[in-house]
Amino acid sequence: EAGVVQSPRYKIIEKKQPVAFWCNPISGHNTLYWYLQNLGQGPELLIRYENEEAVDDSQLPKDRFSAERLKGVDSTLKIQPAELGDSAVYLCASSLDWANADTQYFGPGTRLTVL
Amino acid sequence: DAKTTQPNSMESNEEEPVHLPCNHSTISGTDYIHWYRQLPSQGPEYVIHGLTSNVNNRMASLAIAEDRKSSTLILHRATLRDAAVYYCILRASYDKVIFGPGTSLSVIP
Repeated sequence: EAGVVQSPRYKIIEKKQPVAFWCNPISGHNTLYWYLQNLGQGPELLIRYENEEAVDDSQLPKDRFSAERLKGVDSTLKIQPAELGDSAVYLCASSLDWANADTQYFGPGTRLTVL
Repeated sequence: DAKTTQPNSMESNEEEPVHLPCNHSTISGTDYIHWYRQLPSQGPEYVIHGLTSNVNNRMASLAIAEDRKSSTLILHRATLRDAAVYYCILRASYDKVIFGPGTSLSVIP
């Protein structure tokens, strides 16, 4: 069974440029998560989707970050414009059922460097 | 949100058992204890979880104190591939997963 797929694995951009990350969750997983991980820290939740609905985006900086999960499968996280402080690893995860505290399966992440 | 406390780092010799502690004195009756680990340059991966009883799987064992205020993840024979950051997380149904900084485990050949 294929795991969570993310692309690109690495991205280097200059500040003020836009950037987008893509995630394909495990087939059949209704819940999709985007996390931000700064160096030396644990992942922090940005947004959670149940199917195509964003049910928890309280930690998403909405002035510059946006996300979508069309058709309840793949998802895209966008930053526009990027700032130096956005340099981090962006992780996508999926699970069968969030409500029952099901195991989350993580992708390898996208390492973003903003110059 | 219930919180956990873990040592920042630990060392183990290869092929020896490793006991990774986690304190969670404010745990509630509905909180499950989850462990994830994160290998270098990878996303976190699930290791094990439990509620009250000790649990075993192919990766590790989880020993839960009788009062549930602490738990220990046990790797029976550490290998170099077990070098990772280990996260202890409390989670109830309908609850977010909140990662702390975890314990960075080094395995010495």
